[in-house]
Amino acid sequence: AQSVTQLDSHVSVSEGTPVLLRCNYSSSYSPSLFWYVQHPNKGLQLLLKYTSAATLVKGINGFEAEFKKSETSFHLTKPSAHMSDAAEYFCVVTLANFGNEKLTFGTGTRLTIIP
Amino acid sequence: EPEVTQTPSHQVTQMGQEVILRCVPISNHLYFYWYRQILGQKVEFLVSFYNNEISEKSEIFDDQFSVERPDGSNFTLKIRSTKLEDSAMYFCAIPGLAGTDTQYFGPGTRLTVL
Repeated sequence: AQSVTQLDSHVSVSEGTPVLLRCNYSSSYSPSLFWYVQHPNKGLQLLLKYTSAATLVKGINGFEAEFKKSETSFHLTKPSAHMSDAAEYFCVVTLANFGNEKLTFGTGTRLTIIP
Repeated sequence: EPEVTQTPSHQVTQMGQEVILRCVPISNHLYFYWYRQILGQKVEFLVSFYNNEISEKSEIFDDQFSVERPDGSNFTLKIRSTKLEDSAMYFCAIPGLAGTDTQYFGPGTRLTVL
């Protein structure tokens, strides 16, 4: 079984300051990990994914995440927040290399950007 | 990135009525997934469907739910007799062309049961 824990339900940062959204995972096998973003009243957009290649993964809109097996973490970061980053962010896990497995979502982190 | 559309974008129905939600991928896919998100809660897996058969379903996916691929392209989720607690966003997802770990989501259907 696999699960993810998003440690913060709500994060507020000022525009231009760094963003850190925390995620810890649990998986019986090697995981594939993702971050999805959901803007208000919109669907789910893939930000980035880790699938056992490089541990530092770069995504869209300047976001990146680092897979740390020793800490079972996959935190999402961005050096400088923009107003358009305000959204709900979901950390997601699935079983790597099994193919076509269901995704398991975290509870989400709402990111607010202060002007 | 594969594209998928969903219809309708918003469905309002009376409790006890049947609803059919549709998912249409731009290109042909054998694998489909349905997820739901109750307002303010996390996204939950409902069912995966491969080659015209259910491959996995969650405990949420009870006898009130069914899925099918009626014409080889559309993929439908039917709720036979809706309950108030079925009110949610329902998302269809398809795997990426480059590998099957990644799933791409449609825009969702907001179902409101009155």
